[in-house]
Formats: sequence, C-alpha cells, structure tokens
Amino acid sequence: EMQLVESGGGLVQPGGSLRLSCSASGFIFDEYAMHWVRQPPGKGLEWVSGISWNSFSRGYADSVKGRFSISRDNANKSLYLEMNTLRPDDTALYYCAKGSAAGFSEYFHHWGQGILVTVSS
Amino acid sequence: QSVLTQPPSVSEAPRQRVTISCSGSRSNVGNNAVIWYQHLPGKAPKLLMYYDDLLPSGVSDRFSGSKSGTSASLAISGLQSGDEADYYCAAWDDSLNNWVFGGGTKLTVL
Repeated sequence: EMQLVESGGGLVQPGGSLRLSCSASGFIFDEYAMHWVRQPPGKGLEWVSGISWNSFSRGYADSVKGRFSISRDNANKSLYLEMNTLRPDDTALYYCAKGSAAGFSEYFHHWGQGILVTVSS
Repeated sequence: QSVLTQPPSVSEAPRQRVTISCSGSRSNVGNNAVIWYQHLPGKAPKLLMYYDDLLPSGVSDRFSGSKSGTSASLAISGLQSGDEADYYCAAWDDSLNNWVFGGGTKLTVL
C-alpha cells in the first residue's frame, strides 16, 4: 500500500526555520517526482514546490521562492522541505504528494495526511 | 486570488446532477490537462479526474470531466451525501512554471 507520512511540523516564530520530512513507502520512490502542497486555515490548496525524480529540476511558488528549498534522498525514500524566514502567512497544513511521472509538471495523484505548520509569536 | 476560477459553493438534492466549473487561461487550462481533486474534511485530497476526463481506478463513473478552450467542468450525477466535499481543479501553468489551483468549490447535498 502506498504511504506518505509527513513529519517536522509545529509552532515556530516569525523569521524562524523549520524542516519538513516526508517518508514514502509502497512504491518505487526514485521513479517519481514529488511535491509539497499546502492549505492555509480556511483557504484552498496551494502548490508550494516540486522536484523531479533525480533532483535535477525543482520548482517553487513565487510566494516561497528564495525562502524554501525542496530536496530528496532516494536511498532513504524521503522528501524534504527546508523552510526559512517563515512568515505568519506560511501557516498551513502541508501535504506531501507523489507525482504521476518523473517530471514535476505531471499531476500528483497520492497525498499524505498533512502536517501542520504554525508561524506565530 | 486563485489563478483558476471556481464557484465557491454549489448545492443540489440527492440523486440529482451538479456541475462545477473551472475557468483559466491559455497558459494553464487552455494548453494543459485539467486535474480534479476531492477533499473530504480531515482527509487527504484524493485524485478524482486526470487529463481532463479520465477516471482513476476505483473512482465512481458518476463523476465525469470535460474541457473546452480555457474552461473545464466536473459533473457529478446521482448525488449522494458522501459526495459532500471540497472540489479543486488544478493545471500546470506554462507561463508561471507552476502548478495552479482553483479556489475550491464546496458541494452541499441538500
């Protein structure tokens, strides 16, 4: 069974940093792109970042560009999101999602349960 | 403000049919496949439709998708209470080099 389990969320002060992790199982991790998608409280879904199967291509939403960094460790079937200079509007439920192909311009079709990040003083 | 435009809410009676629209532009809906996700409260979003009108394995054929130009729609027939959820459209945007979502549509089954 395909599983994605996020971890690393929590409460952080504005300007602080946090590193999210996503542990994958049940599929051949290094054949697929991976993504982070978030949902602020009471709002809709927003794509945050994506990474190709071999890490050669990475993309970011304008709202996080220069502050967030996506990476992956294929040997350990893990996806990461390094979040720096956090702002209150980064507060959201962050989902890890599996792509449907090697590149991140293809849709994502399996999601984790999400992890909450709260940025507040 | 979302790049793709959806109605905030729709409602219909059980066993009836409802459609949810998704409007974009040439750089996203016009040039690329539209994807639909169903998001039940407290659950992970679920893929409902891909490549405009293809059903993933295990998704009921009460759901159907279509696209014309820069607009797409999701239709749900034979409405059931279990269909109450938020529905999101998404597409790759060639200009932004991003995935873009609609704002989501809350479906209420009366």
